[in-house]
Amino acid sequence: DGGITQSPKYLFRKEGQNVTLSCEQNLNHDAMYWYRQDPGQGLRLIYYSQIVNDFQKGDIAEGYSVSREKKESFPLTVTSAQKNPTAFYLCASSYGIREATNEKLFFGSGTQLSVL
Amino acid sequence: AQSVTQPDIHITVSEGASLELRCNYSYGATPYLFWYVQSPGQGLQLLLKYFSGDTLVQGIKGFEAEFKRSQSSFNLRKPSVHWSDAAEYFCAVGGSSASKIIFGSGTRLSIRP
Repeated sequence: DGGITQSPKYLFRKEGQNVTLSCEQNLNHDAMYWYRQDPGQGLRLIYYSQIVNDFQKGDIAEGYSVSREKKESFPLTVTSAQKNPTAFYLCASSYGIREATNEKLFFGSGTQLSVL
Repeated sequence: AQSVTQPDIHITVSEGASLELRCNYSYGATPYLFWYVQSPGQGLQLLLKYFSGDTLVQGIKGFEAEFKRSQSSFNLRKPSVHWSDAAEYFCAVGGSSASKIIFGSGTRLSIRP
């Protein structure tokens, strides 16, 4: 079955540590996205990528980094510069960035990141 | 500026009762509107979307939504809720050339047996 796989389901970060969240899709989608979800708030866009080897900052990119070396993969690194990393992180994809607003976003099942 | 407001943080309805979740948007042009549902600890699933045409949109799981331009609203409805409808519901807005979708803060739906 096609879909988006996020791993791990739960992740713990120590102070000063960088951690990487994995996102893989086999839907052959061009565009991929990372969102952060905090309780009582909507989803906020961290980074997005329209094509391999290209990505753009979203609304809350500070303290995060991404790469897009393969079409299928869009890992997110939460760096030590992100002082409040505890949140639920969602990866999504769509056929293309211009079509994102008239095609649906496909979401992974998320990663809960907590600080030790 | 583009924005979405879901005024109800938490709603509880009895199983079998009707449901309406409110969504108001602000957008300078014709909006593209979406409703997504999220079960606990899971990703979001698209319920329905509106781009143009008939202002009453049918979605999955028996949900529908009505676009009212004069009220800048896109409320989600279901005639009779089931216990499995308990989840968080997100309204979202985008435009034809937007590079991202803006999500509302969500409404948590609880079902009373």
